[in-house]
Amino acid sequence: AQRVTQPEKLLSVFKGAPVELKCNYSYSGSPELFWYVQYSRQRLQLLLRHISRESIKGFTADLNKGETSFHLKKPFAQEEDSAMYYCALSGKTSYDKVIFGPGTSLSVIP
Amino acid sequence: DAGVTQSPTHLIKTRGQQVTLRCSPKSGHDTVSWYQQALGQGPQFIFQYYEEEERQRGNFPDRFSGHQFPNYSSELNVNALLLGDSALYLCASSRDQQETQYFGPGTRLLVL
Repeated sequence: AQRVTQPEKLLSVFKGAPVELKCNYSYSGSPELFWYVQYSRQRLQLLLRHISRESIKGFTADLNKGETSFHLKKPFAQEEDSAMYYCALSGKTSYDKVIFGPGTSLSVIP
Repeated sequence: DAGVTQSPTHLIKTRGQQVTLRCSPKSGHDTVSWYQQALGQGPQFIFQYYEEEERQRGNFPDRFSGHQFPNYSSELNVNALLLGDSALYLCASSRDQQETQYFGPGTRLLVL
């Protein structure tokens, strides 16, 4: 079954501390992995996708196929990082749907 | 470009009624996807439209149907509403499935 799990519903870190949001997935094949973010009173938006291998707003995510994980990391959290984060996957064809995880609410304490 | 727009922003219906939600994609986008987001959960894929046809469908009953118009705008229709249909309905558009999806602000539906 295709599934995305995010074990933490809530995560609080102090400003300047490292942050890691966990994401595990199950998928038969090689999926595309994404992280989406929703800031307060804003729309859901793409943060990064593993295929582009970019670092966005200081965030990176490494795909670990052995552990089927795609954890999101940032070395020094900022207050503006407080938001809801969703991990998602899809297949690599034009006909594959996007499956979202339940989300993790990150709160950065000043 | 206003990006993806959805109407209405909020809606209250009673059980058994029917509802139509509307979405206008971002300029230049031809693919529209619909998601249901229940409180405290991630978005769940309902279906996707491309070239006025339903290209992919999630695990939703036939009460959920849609349409895409020649101008790429889309409608989501839900018949015989249930209390459990109360949720935020999100529309997302892209140039193709493989391109970045841009989300609208959502329509919050409450079924009483």
